[in-house]
Amino acid sequence: DAKTTQPPSMDCAEGRAANLPCNHSTISGNEYVYWYRQIHSQGPQYIIHGLKNNETNEMASLIITEDRKSSTLILPHATLRDTAVYYCIVRVASGGSNYKLTFGKGTLLTVNP
Amino acid sequence: NAGVTQTPKFRVLKTGQSMTLLCAQDMNHEYMYWYRQDPGMGLRLIHYSVGEGTTAKGEVPDGYNVSRLKKQNFLLGLESAAPSQTSVYFCASRSTGTYEQYFGPGTRLTVT
Repeated sequence: DAKTTQPPSMDCAEGRAANLPCNHSTISGNEYVYWYRQIHSQGPQYIIHGLKNNETNEMASLIITEDRKSSTLILPHATLRDTAVYYCIVRVASGGSNYKLTFGKGTLLTVNP
Repeated sequence: NAGVTQTPKFRVLKTGQSMTLLCAQDMNHEYMYWYRQDPGMGLRLIHYSVGEGTTAKGEVPDGYNVSRLKKQNFLLGLESAAPSQTSVYFCASRSTGTYEQYFGPGTRLTVT
């Protein structure tokens, strides 16, 4: 699996957009970018994933650069409840017998009032 | 749907004691996982299962055993607990063809 690099922490003002970057320069053509988050003391929660096109759902938007070496997760209007550790994960969608996700240390996003 | 549930939520064990953590999912998912999470570290995979009756080792399997006798349940056993196994344990499940994993609320285990 491609390795990812994320800043250890970021701050954002409540109501503003939070832009969380992820570097995955060794990503291969069949690997997807997944984002999860973990609110304190809870289990991780799936947010969004994409291959090469930008994606949007009710929680966030995912912008993947054209060369696919980096991506940005965007929370359009951050709230205090979005304070969490955000994990960027790169993984093939299928194939092989080991279907695990590898969680790194992620980015701690703190949304301030 | 209850999603993924874990039993118990908290447990304190003495060194050498044994226990079983239960994970249950009601989404008919094929794949189930056990992770542990320690302070300052990300989640690490202990064991996983790709279907009923099958299990496989993850990154940190030593000291743990698992069983998947029923599709909806995935059990994690500690035969002889050690202080190094003090951690928060998360179970997760997913369906075939996607990596969207659904996580349980976690079990906080302390071994003294």
